[in-house]
Amino acid sequence: EVQLVESGGGLVQPGRSMKLSCAASGFTFSNYGMAWVRQAPTKGLEWVATISYDGSSTYYRDSVKGRFTISRDNAKSTLYLQMNSLRSEDTATYYCTREETYYGYNWFAYWGQGTLVTVSS
Amino acid sequence: DIQMTQSPASLSASLGETVSIECLASEGISNDLAWYQQKSGKSPQLLIYAASRLQDGVPSRFSGSGSGTRYSLKISGMQPEDEADYFCQQSYKYPLTFGSGTKLEIK
Repeated sequence: EVQLVESGGGLVQPGRSMKLSCAASGFTFSNYGMAWVRQAPTKGLEWVATISYDGSSTYYRDSVKGRFTISRDNAKSTLYLQMNSLRSEDTATYYCTREETYYGYNWFAYWGQGTLVTVSS
Repeated sequence: DIQMTQSPASLSASLGETVSIECLASEGISNDLAWYQQKSGKSPQLLIYAASRLQDGVPSRFSGSGSGTRYSLKISGMQPEDEADYFCQQSYKYPLTFGSGTKLEIK
């Protein structure tokens, strides 16, 4: 069974840093691209960042580019999101997702339970 | 960025009724579209990928269709457990973008 378990969320002051982790199990982690998707309270879903299966390629939304870094440790089957210079608008539940690919189509096949990040003084 | 305009924002349906939710992309996305269901307090769950392919384990009353810029999700026979938020999402180009969501309730 595919499992994605996020950790590392909590309350953080504006301008500070936080690192999220996502422990993956039930599949060969090094075979899949992974992504972070967030959801502000009572709002919709927003893609944050994607990393390729081997970590060689990364993609970010403009609002986090230069502040957030997505990375992975395939030996530990763990995905990370390093978040620096946090802003109030980064307050959200952050979901770890596993990407699936089929003949050039892509989607988020599996989602973790999410970890809440609250940026406030 | 590709904008995904989802409609309606909310919908109320009777049990057994057929409902449709639409997503309009600001440019063609070549069927690179997925639909997700999110129940209250839970993580999103994949329903449909590649515009029309049903994810394993998803009831056959869910179906997806469309092409080019217009896509739709249909629920043929509303069930109590279908009360949820629904989101479309394109993966054709970065940044990946979601529709704003449709809240589906039982009438």
